[in-house]
Amino acid sequence: QQQVKQSPQSLIVQKGGISIINCAYENTAFDYFPWYQQFPGKGPALLIAIRPDVSEKKEGRFTISFNKSAKQFSLHIMDSQPGDSATYFCAAANGNKLVFGAGTILRVKS
Amino acid sequence: DAGITQSPRHKVTETGTPVTLRCHQTENHRYMYWYRQDPGHGLRLIHYSYGVKDTDKGEVSDGYSVSRSKTEDFLLTLESATSSQTSVYFCAISESGQGQSPLHFGNGTRLTVT
Repeated sequence: QQQVKQSPQSLIVQKGGISIINCAYENTAFDYFPWYQQFPGKGPALLIAIRPDVSEKKEGRFTISFNKSAKQFSLHIMDSQPGDSATYFCAAANGNKLVFGAGTILRVKS
Repeated sequence: DAGITQSPRHKVTETGTPVTLRCHQTENHRYMYWYRQDPGHGLRLIHYSYGVKDTDKGEVSDGYSVSRSKTEDFLLTLESATSSQTSVYFCAISESGQGQSPLHFGNGTRLTVT
């Protein structure tokens, strides 16, 4: 049972474009929504996270948008760069339970 | 990188043999985790530890056991490896539980069971 559904599986974006990755969750008890970024040969690393008391959080070129009523959240990467090419995982957590999405492979073409 | 070392980084083993993967941290974090990463499944929790000798099962614990005799070390054992356990294994640490503080991951162990 996949508790966090992530789409798309893969994404190709031109340099300077906007990359958008979407996630949907089922468990309304989730109260922490992090995004992890993973480069080849490395472990994932926390990129940005949001709690449901805000609808948007921005850190540099990375923005999380959160829609509590729709149980959806998304990552927007503005002015995408080739260095952003990586695998991105959304996740949802409640207390000690954290569930990851299946991941999105992003390729930014220069 | 957070002070997390996984060993070995790569291993090829035969079906039915025992395998132990090691995770060593220098951050003195209370929580340690073992995940496996497979295409289409993201990261799935195998086992975790919330203190020395305190461990609990995750989502995909069948066929795996863990031990934590020191704060800094967390071992994952495959008692009798199967081809379905071919995967990339990641160790992670956190100060608090998964839903309360960020996870810091090691660089993974690629395990191939032939």
